[in-house]
Amino acid sequence: KQEVTQIPAALSVPEGENLVLNCSFTDSAIYNLQWFRQDPGKGLTSLLLIQSSQREQTSGRLNASLDKSSGRSTLYIAASQPGDSATYLCATLDEGNYQLIWGAGTKLIIKP
Amino acid sequence: DAGITQSPRHKVTETGTPVTLRCHQTENHRYMYWYRQDPGHGLRLIHYSYGVKDTDKGEVSDGYSVSRSKTEDFLLTLESATSSQTSVYFCAISDGTSGVYNEQFFGPGTRLTVL
Repeated sequence: KQEVTQIPAALSVPEGENLVLNCSFTDSAIYNLQWFRQDPGKGLTSLLLIQSSQREQTSGRLNASLDKSSGRSTLYIAASQPGDSATYLCATLDEGNYQLIWGAGTKLIIKP
Repeated sequence: DAGITQSPRHKVTETGTPVTLRCHQTENHRYMYWYRQDPGHGLRLIHYSYGVKDTDKGEVSDGYSVSRSKTEDFLLTLESATSSQTSVYFCAISDGTSGVYNEQFFGPGTRLTVL
């Protein structure tokens, strides 16, 4: 059974730093991996989706990579801003399945 | 942002009463999903739909039913609400151009409290 882990559970960094969030999964037979952000009391916003055949995706200051063989994905945030403060979630969609399997999230705080 | 609305946004109800939550989309997407989010459990799939009148169960479907009579609307019904169903409920959609394997977009959520 797929398990998705996000470490650390919380991270606090000063504004302007580049940072990396980690997502690991136990079963490499995934169709895609998706990164989301969730603001307190709000819904989930899709940030990036990486298909299993891709190695990375970029959107603005965000870059997500995928290494299926090692069961890892990273979300790189460049030049962090206070507005990036949120909880970041990753989720995998496994081959032959219809359910997203979710990590517990990393709560990110960017200090001004 | 994907055009997804959920109603109501907040609801307080009593144990044993039926409750219906509505998800409405303006994107004409084929797939629609209902999730619940609870501390310590993350997001869990309740039911999903792959077309009008076509639905299937997710991981935590007991005590819930769904209906989809139109492409744009997906209803979640708690047949007899219990305190364990207190949660935040999210609707999601995907366009299904690659089957079920497309990017999912989420609605704003409904916070349900069962007393």
